[in-house]
Amino acid sequence: DSGVTQTPKHLITATGQRVTLRCSPRSGDLSVYWYQQSLDQGLQFLIQYYNGEERAKGNILERFSAQQFPDLHSELNLSSLELGDSALYFCASSVGISYEQYFGPGTRLTVT
Amino acid sequence: ELKVEQNPLFLSMQEGKNYTIYCNYSTTSDRLYWYRQDPGKSLESLFVLLSNGAVKQEGRLMASLDTKARLSTLHITAAVHDLSATYFCAVDRYHSNYQLIWGAGTKLIIKP
Repeated sequence: DSGVTQTPKHLITATGQRVTLRCSPRSGDLSVYWYQQSLDQGLQFLIQYYNGEERAKGNILERFSAQQFPDLHSELNLSSLELGDSALYFCASSVGISYEQYFGPGTRLTVT
Repeated sequence: ELKVEQNPLFLSMQEGKNYTIYCNYSTTSDRLYWYRQDPGKSLESLFVLLSNGAVKQEGRLMASLDTKARLSTLHITAAVHDLSATYFCAVDRYHSNYQLIWGAGTKLIIKP
């Protein structure tokens, strides 16, 4: 157990819908990262927050947005969902912006 | 642009054999990480390599880093079935705002 929690574990929704994925970092970690992993694909970095501020953006679609709250938990919002958005979404956290990342268990999103 | 290449991408081997996974990266890196992912599961940190010549070992896995060659290796000694997983390397770089750049992963299957 890495100490990073993600909810929900599974999510099934229809195309066009909007969902919110939630992540709580390890105690003391200030950085949160979001990744997307499609079936048999590698990791796609989406976005990074550090202490509430956006630090880096990767291949994040405009339909996706994220934020990190004052208590350091983070949410990833996915809207106008398409079939191709079906994937595992991982959250990771680290102490700072250049440290080992610890991954949560992931949220498996299925868009039907 | 920092790129990370792993090879092989797929490896099937027998128990008891030795093998090496290679991770090449294109420009100077500050740190190199190895992660393990079991099918449908999260990523687990294996090693963090911080400097040229660094070598770390955990059980049957040993990782090393040659920053001059921009190469890291993950060596598996006397493989056992439980080591079957996908192994990812990742590097970070100051000029990329410490964003981790990930390799595509090596899917390792060890047959009993």
